[in-house]
Amino acid sequence: EVQLVESGGGLVQPGGSLRLSCAASGFTFSSYAMHWVRQAPGKGLEYVSAISSNGGSTYYANSVKGRFTISRDNSKNTLYLQMGSLRAEDMAVYYCARAGYGSPDTWGQGTLVTVSS
Amino acid sequence: DIVMTQTPLSSPVTLGQPASISCRSSQSLVHSDGNTYLSWLQQRPGQPPRLLIYKISNRFSGVPDRFSGSGAGTDFTLKISRVEAEDVGVYYCMQATQFPPWTFGQGTKVEIK
Repeated sequence: EVQLVESGGGLVQPGGSLRLSCAASGFTFSSYAMHWVRQAPGKGLEYVSAISSNGGSTYYANSVKGRFTISRDNSKNTLYLQMGSLRAEDMAVYYCARAGYGSPDTWGQGTLVTVSS
Repeated sequence: DIVMTQTPLSSPVTLGQPASISCRSSQSLVHSDGNTYLSWLQQRPGQPPRLLIYKISNRFSGVPDRFSGSGAGTDFTLKISRVEAEDVGVYYCMQATQFPPWTFGQGTKVEIK
C-alpha cells in the first residue's frame, strides 16, 4: 500500500524552529518528486515547497522562501521540511504529497503546526 | 502564478440529485506536451485531500463513476451525477500545468440540504 506519514508538528513560539518529516512506503520513493502543501485552520490549500526525485532541484513559495528548507533522504524514504523564523501565519496542517499522473495522487494525513506564545 | 477560480463556493444539494462545480483558470492549462494538468480533489471533514480526477476527466483509482470531469483550455467542470451522503466535503480544482507551483481554487463546500 502506498503510504505517506507525517510527523514532527507541534507547538512552537513565534521565531522558533521545527522539522517536519514524511515517511514514505509502498513505492519507489527515489523515483518521485515530493511536495509540501499546507492548510491554515478553516482555510484552503496553499502550496509550500517541492523537491525533485534526486533532491537536486527545489522550489519554495514566496511566503516561506528563506525560512524553510526542503530536503530528502532517499536511503531512508523520508522527506523533510525544516521550518525557521516561524510566524503566526505559518500555523497550519502540513501535508506531504506525491505527484503521479501530474497530480497529487497520494497525501499524508497531515501534521499540525501551532505557532503561539 | 495561474489563478484558479471556483463557483459556487457553497452548494447545498438534495441526496440523489446532481451537483456541478465550475473552475476557471487565468491562463490556458494546455501544457506544451499536449496534456492539460487540471485535477479535482475532495476533502471530507477532518480528512486530508484525496485525488478524484486528473488530466480533466480521468477518474483516479477507486473513485466512483458518479464523479466526472470535463472542460478544456480555461474552463472546467466537476459533476456528481447523484450526490450521496459520503460526498459531503470541500472540492478543490488545481492546476499543475504551469509548475511550480501547483495552484488551487478556493474550494467549494458541498453539503446536504
